[in-house]
Amino acid sequence: QSALTQPRSVSGSPGQSVTISCTGTSSDVGGYNFVSWYQHHPGKAPKLIINDVTKRPSGVPDRFSGSKSGHTASLTISGLQAEDEAEYYCCSYAGRYVVFGGGTKLTVL
Amino acid sequence: QVQLVQSVASVKKPGASVKVSCQASGYTFTGYYMHWVRQAPGQGLEWMGWINPNSGGTSYAQKFQGRVTLTRDTSINTAFMELSSLRSDDTALYYCTRDVSWNYDYWGQGTLVAVSS
Repeated sequence: QSALTQPRSVSGSPGQSVTISCTGTSSDVGGYNFVSWYQHHPGKAPKLIINDVTKRPSGVPDRFSGSKSGHTASLTISGLQAEDEAEYYCCSYAGRYVVFGGGTKLTVL
Repeated sequence: QVQLVQSVASVKKPGASVKVSCQASGYTFTGYYMHWVRQAPGQGLEWMGWINPNSGGTSYAQKFQGRVTLTRDTSINTAFMELSSLRSDDTALYYCTRDVSWNYDYWGQGTLVAVSS
């Protein structure tokens, strides 16, 4: 049950796009389509922004999109806005267990 | 509307136990698994385990096996997380979160547990 691997930080200017990767194994990301992404602002509860690899919950802007290839899932945020600055976590089902990524700090320059 | 309301913060001494509650409202409590996730200061989210409120069945992360116990009381729509043999590195914000097919759509407000002598 090792944590999924995410870059520690990414950055982009307003209007640009950024992609955050999330690498696991065949026992988690590569084995199931139960990958989700969470946006976490300090002092608030995490917010689900992508579920089941590619789906956006109601109310989440279409600037947020998810994908997966093999053992690596990705979150892309297009048209960056100042309020997107937050910590982002990926998460995967791993057969009775669950594993999170280490988190990626997104800075909007 | 769906709400998960957690118990207030607590301070514990090393070696003690803590029990955090999570009261659900706005949905059928027994219809969704409940997971517990923690975040230590400066660290990321860490999954601890889940409970099936309908059957009481549980699954725990290997790291917490033997120290964590998840229970529920369906009469008051409340899930509980008890962590024993507390250490200083258990100081963290503990969240409960509702599972919708292995995605977590609603979260409690978090309960701070501080472990200090």
